[in-house]
Formats: sequence, structure tokens, C-alpha cells
Amino acid sequence: GENVEQHPSTLSVQEGDSAVIKCTYSDSASNYFPWYKQELGKRPQLIIDIRSNVGEKKDQRIAVTLNKTAKHFSLHITETQPEDSAVYFCAASGPDNFNKFYFGSGTKLNVKP
Amino acid sequence: DGGITQSPKYLFRKEGQNVTLSCEQNLNHDAMYWYRQDPGQGLRLIYYSQIVNDFQKGDIAEGYSVSREKKESFPLTVTSAQKNPTAFYLCASSIRYNEQFFGPGTRLTVL
Repeated sequence: GENVEQHPSTLSVQEGDSAVIKCTYSDSASNYFPWYKQELGKRPQLIIDIRSNVGEKKDQRIAVTLNKTAKHFSLHITETQPEDSAVYFCAASGPDNFNKFYFGSGTKLNVKP
Repeated sequence: DGGITQSPKYLFRKEGQNVTLSCEQNLNHDAMYWYRQDPGQGLRLIYYSQIVNDFQKGDIAEGYSVSREKKESFPLTVTSAQKNPTAFYLCASSIRYNEQFFGPGTRLTVL
């Protein structure tokens, strides 16, 4: 089955700096890669996603890049703000696994004011 | 917070007791999922259902049971066979090959 690895497990940045979180996946058939943000005690919420027919997607300060050959994808947050502090999860899904999401282990981002 | 709801928000279970967590969605999604999240950990799949009257075990199904009698409902029962059930339980729903929408979660504590 699919295996998703996520790094780093914790990330601390100064407000205004950029943050990058990386994930690798093992199943070349995976074709949908969402990123979720989870604040303490709350539900995970989708912040951006990318499909395998696209190499990069951007939404304001957030971008995701996908390298299908290397089987890795990354979340980029620019001009970080204290409200970006949360746990971020990547996931991978594909047509062979009935829309099951395989989640990474999460990255705790701390943005220091 | 419409769309997908979970109840109760907090639940306390005594040793040897079965408890049922509710999950309802009005998004007309075919697929529904149950995840368990332990403190500081990721999301682990318990059960999922792609269609009414059908469901499959996830990675940690032992000690749990589900039913899917209606499209909008996917209750999870935590049985006495689950020896360490204290955790945050999240329900989700989706249209196939699209994002999963999560409910607000139920925090279960064993007394």
C-alpha cells in the first residue's frame, strides 16, 4: 500500500520568514495530494491540494509543488504570520485505493512574533 | 459548522462499556470515514464506507464497529474489546477523488 513520510516533525520560524514542509510517497499511482491545517483541538481543514497533472499550485501565501518522478511534494508558506501556527498534514490518494487518504505524521509549525 | 456534524463533543466511558459516536453529513457525499488521533500524532483510519450498506476495515479496526444504513449517517461503536480507546475521533466525508471534509470531532475518555 501507499506510505507517506513527512518532514520535519517540528518547524519554528520567525514571523515574515518562509516555511517549507516536505512529503514523499511510495505509490506511483497516487494522483491527488491534499494539505490540511489543524489547529489545537480543532478539525483538520484543507488549505490547498494538487493533482498529478499539475506541477505547482499557488493560493496567495501558500503554494504546493509536486515532483512525480521523485515522488515528493512540498508545502510552501511565505510571509508567515502567528496565525499560521498549527499542525500541517500532507496526504496522498489514488484511484487504486478507493479515495483512502494516506496521511503523513504531521508537522507542528510555530511562527514566532 | 454545517455540512458534517459529530456528537457528542465529549464522551466518557467506563471500563467494559460500549459507546457509540454519531456522525451525520448533509453534503450528499457517498464516502465516509472514521479516524483516530492520539495526542501529538497523525490520523489513523479505523473504518471507511464508499456506499450505503458497505464498509471496509481501515488500519486499526480491532475493537470498533460501524454501520452505514443511510447515506448521511455513519456511527462508530467503540466496544469493550478496544483496550485503549482514549483519543480524539474524527469523522470525514467526501466525493470520490476529492477532498475529505472533517467533522468537529469527539473526544473520548475512559474513566
